[in-house]
Amino acid sequence: GIQVEQSPPDLILQEGANSTLRCNFSDSVNNLQWFHQNPWGQLINLFYIPSGTKQNGRLSATTVATERYSLLYISSSQTTDSGVYFCAVQYSGNTPLVFGKGTRLSVIA
Amino acid sequence: GAGVSQSPSNKVTEKGKDVELRCDPISGHTALYWYRQSLGQGLEFLIYFQGNSAPDKSGLPSDRFSAERTGGSVSTLTIQRTQQEDSAVYLCASSLAGSSYNEQFFGPGTRLTVL
Repeated sequence: GIQVEQSPPDLILQEGANSTLRCNFSDSVNNLQWFHQNPWGQLINLFYIPSGTKQNGRLSATTVATERYSLLYISSSQTTDSGVYFCAVQYSGNTPLVFGKGTRLSVIA
Repeated sequence: GAGVSQSPSNKVTEKGKDVELRCDPISGHTALYWYRQSLGQGLEFLIYFQGNSAPDKSGLPSDRFSAERTGGSVSTLTIQRTQQEDSAVYLCASSLAGSSYNEQFFGPGTRLTVL
C-alpha cells in the first residue's frame, strides 16, 4: 500500500522561529490533508491540499503532486503551535486516509 | 454546524467485557470512518461506510471487532471480549461522498482502557 513519511520526527523551536515540515508519499494521491493534534488528542484540520499552495494566517502548505511531497510552513511560531502534526493521504475516491507517523513540535517561550 | 461527536469520551473496562463506542457524523456526510490511535502504532484505519454500500472492513484487527451504521447516520463500533491490546483512542471521521471534495473531519475520540 501507499507509504507516507514525515520529517523531522521531532522539532524544538524557540517562540517566534519559522519551520518547515515535510511529507513524502510513495504513490499518486487524490487527497492530502494536514492535521494538528492538540494536547487533548483532537485532530484539527489545517489544510485540504491535494495540489498547489494554500495559506491560513501564519500557516501555509504546498503540495507538489507530481513529485509526491507536501510541505507545511509555520511562521512566527507560538507555544500554542505545540503538538503533533500529521500528514494523511487518500489514493482514490473516498478510501480511508493513510497517515504518516507525525512530527512532534515543541515551541518554547 | 456541529462537528463529529463521539461517546463516551473515556471508557474503562475489564478484560473480557464487551464495549460499544458511538459516533455521530456531520449532518449530510455520507462517508463515515473509524480509526484507532495506539501508542507506538500511529493512526490506523479500521472500517468505513459509504452510503448504502457494504462497508470496507479490511482494517479490522480481529473478528472481535464489528461496526454498524443505522439509517445512514450514527455508527456504533463494538469490541467483544476486550483484550489489553485493544487499549487505544478510537477516532471517527466523516466526509461528503460522491464528489471530488472529500475532506475528512474527525471527532474528539473515545479513549478506551482495558484493565
